[in-house]
Amino acid sequence: QKEVEQDPGPLSVPEGAIVSLNCTYSNSAFQYFMWYRQYSRKGPELLMYTYSSGNKEDGRFTAQVDKSSKYISLFIRDSQPSDSATYLCAMSAELDGGSNYKLTFGKGTLLTVNP
Amino acid sequence: GAGVSQSPRYKVAKRGQDVALRCDPISGHVSLFWYQQALGQGPEFLTYFQNEAQLDKSGLPSDRFFAERPEGSVSTLKIQRTQQEDSAVYLCASSLSGVGTQYFGPGTRLLVL
Repeated sequence: QKEVEQDPGPLSVPEGAIVSLNCTYSNSAFQYFMWYRQYSRKGPELLMYTYSSGNKEDGRFTAQVDKSSKYISLFIRDSQPSDSATYLCAMSAELDGGSNYKLTFGKGTLLTVNP
Repeated sequence: GAGVSQSPRYKVAKRGQDVALRCDPISGHVSLFWYQQALGQGPEFLTYFQNEAQLDKSGLPSDRFFAERPEGSVSTLKIQRTQQEDSAVYLCASSLSGVGTQYFGPGTRLLVL
């Protein structure tokens, strides 16, 4: 079993829909949680960064972390065709010396928003 | 300012050839990372540099993989005697420090025939 599980989809929704993406994980040491967006043939781009449990909102995007359930979510409101991409969750633990650079990614979920 | 750049963007190699992949990080970024992304998978950590020091190479899959960053800026990932299973996108990322946001380059797509 991988440390981070993410349903690869694909997920197809109409424009304006609310999209829910999620990941589960097994390593209780993970404290830093990220969502990246990756367009085809491009590198991942950071969308949201959350430390520990709780919610974080940025425009149409909301990230939620539930450490007790080892479950994280990303919600996209009023989805747009330009949101069509692969969404990757990533996590890291605090290492000796305080760094947290070692990201563990999910497989990514391919999202298509249809006009 | 410019982001992370990588070259070449595409590389086709015959099995057994050596390849070298280059990464130019964002100017001033101390930390540099290499990841391998197989088709349909998320990126997997390969190695981490802080300035010129390679502090973590735990993700390198075999001793055929070697990375360097001799002057603390540009980095090169070298793969010797390439195998078909090395076919993947190799992503480079940089950050201001070991705790900061990692900014990714576009990747080098390697195909080993």
